[in-house]
Amino acid sequence: QKEVEQDPGPLSVPEGAIVSLNCTYSNSAFQYFMWYRQYSRKGPELLMYTYSSGNKEDGRFTAQVDKSSKYISLFIRDSQPSDSATYLCALRGSARQLTFGSGTQLTVLP
Amino acid sequence: DAGITQSPRYKITETGRQVTLMCHQTWSHSYMFWYRQDLGHGLRLIYYSAAADITDKGEVPDGYVVSRSKTENFPLTLESATRSQTSVYFCASSEFFLAGGGAKNIQYFGAGTRLSVL
Repeated sequence: QKEVEQDPGPLSVPEGAIVSLNCTYSNSAFQYFMWYRQYSRKGPELLMYTYSSGNKEDGRFTAQVDKSSKYISLFIRDSQPSDSATYLCALRGSARQLTFGSGTQLTVLP
Repeated sequence: DAGITQSPRYKITETGRQVTLMCHQTWSHSYMFWYRQDLGHGLRLIYYSAAADITDKGEVPDGYVVSRSKTENFPLTLESATRSQTSVYFCASSEFFLAGGGAKNIQYFGAGTRLSVL
């Protein structure tokens, strides 16, 4: 069993839709939770960074962490074609390495 | 240009050849990382370095060698390339700093090197 599970998709939604992306994890030592966005043929870039359980909002993006269920989510409101990318969750414990999910490919149709 | 750069961007080689992928960062970050990205596996850590002359294995280190003689450079060498090493390789760098909630870090990634081993 992988430490981090992420639905690979692909996920296709119409412009303006609310998108929900999710990861589950098994290691309770993970303390830091991140979402990276990766455009085609580019390197990943950090989108959201959270430490505690609860919600963190940044513009159209909301990151949600539920440590009791070992479940993290990224919500995108009013999705735009420019949001079309692969979204990777990344988790870290006390060590310096990140453990990544396999990524969810999202396409927002105009 | 400032940031993190990888070279070459594309590389085709043959089985058994030695290949070196280069990574250079201008931020003077202490930590540097090498990942490979394959369909269905996401990003998997190959090696990382906490400082010059300090390196450690990640999840998939077999067949790879790294060195870090200078803070800004972190080359990855495939000593004898195999077809299973065909992949996209990403280098990243980060610094750790204390923030509310503990030691925070952000990893900044290069644009990647697409390697094909024939």
